[in-house]
Amino acid sequence: GQNIDQPTEMTATEGAIVQINCTYQTSGFNGLFWYQQHAGEAPTFLSYNVLDGLEEKGRFSSFLSRSKGYSYLLLKELQMKDSASYLCALGLYGGATNKLIFGTGTLLAVQP
Amino acid sequence: DVKVTQSSRYLVKRTGEKVFLECVQDMDHENMFWYRQDPGLGLRLIYFSYDVKMKEKGDIPEGYSVSREKKERFSLILESASTNQTSMYLCASSSEGASGNTIYFGEGSWLTVV
Repeated sequence: GQNIDQPTEMTATEGAIVQINCTYQTSGFNGLFWYQQHAGEAPTFLSYNVLDGLEEKGRFSSFLSRSKGYSYLLLKELQMKDSASYLCALGLYGGATNKLIFGTGTLLAVQP
Repeated sequence: DVKVTQSSRYLVKRTGEKVFLECVQDMDHENMFWYRQDPGLGLRLIYFSYDVKMKEKGDIPEGYSVSREKKERFSLILESASTNQTSMYLCASSSEGASGNTIYFGEGSWLTVV
C-alpha cells in the first residue's frame, strides 16, 4: 500500500514564503502531484514532478526527491487568495491507467 | 471549455435508499474516477474506469458500485445508502497516459444520508 503524510494545518503571512512538505512510502509511482482546493470547490492542478528536482511555475514551485520519499510545495509572495487546502498525490499505475492516491491535505491560512 | 459535470450538487437521502450519482465529461477522456472526501481523511478512491464497461476497485469500494455504459458517463451507485456514506463525492476524468494537468475534477456532490 501507500502512505502519504502532510501537516494538517499551516499559517503564513501575506507576502511571505511558505513550504508545505509531503512525505510518502510506496513501492513505486509514476509521478507526484500537487493540487489546490478552495473550500467547497473541486481540486485544481498545480504541479507535477516525475524526476527529482525542482519544477517552477510562477509563484509556485514543487520539489521531489525519490530517494528520500519527500516532496514540497513552495509558495512565494503569498496572497490572501492562496488560503486553501494543498493536496499531495501519488500517480500510480492501476489497471490500464494512472490513478491518483491523495494525502489528507494541508490547510493553509494566509493572514494579513 | 473542458468540463466534468456532476448532475446533483446537494442530495439528502434516507438510510436504505438506492442513490445514483451521475458524472458526465465532454473531453472524450478514456479514464474516469470516483472519490469521496471526508475531513481528516482526504480524497479516497472508490472506483475507476479506463474504458466503456471496464471498472476497477479503488481503495474503498465496499457499499458502492459503478456503471460505465457510455464513454462520457460514469455513475456511482449506492445500493442501500447508510449514514457512514454521508460525504462529498468527486468525479474526475483524464486522458490516457495523463500527466497531472489533464486530470479534471467535477464540482462535487454533497450527499447526506439520514
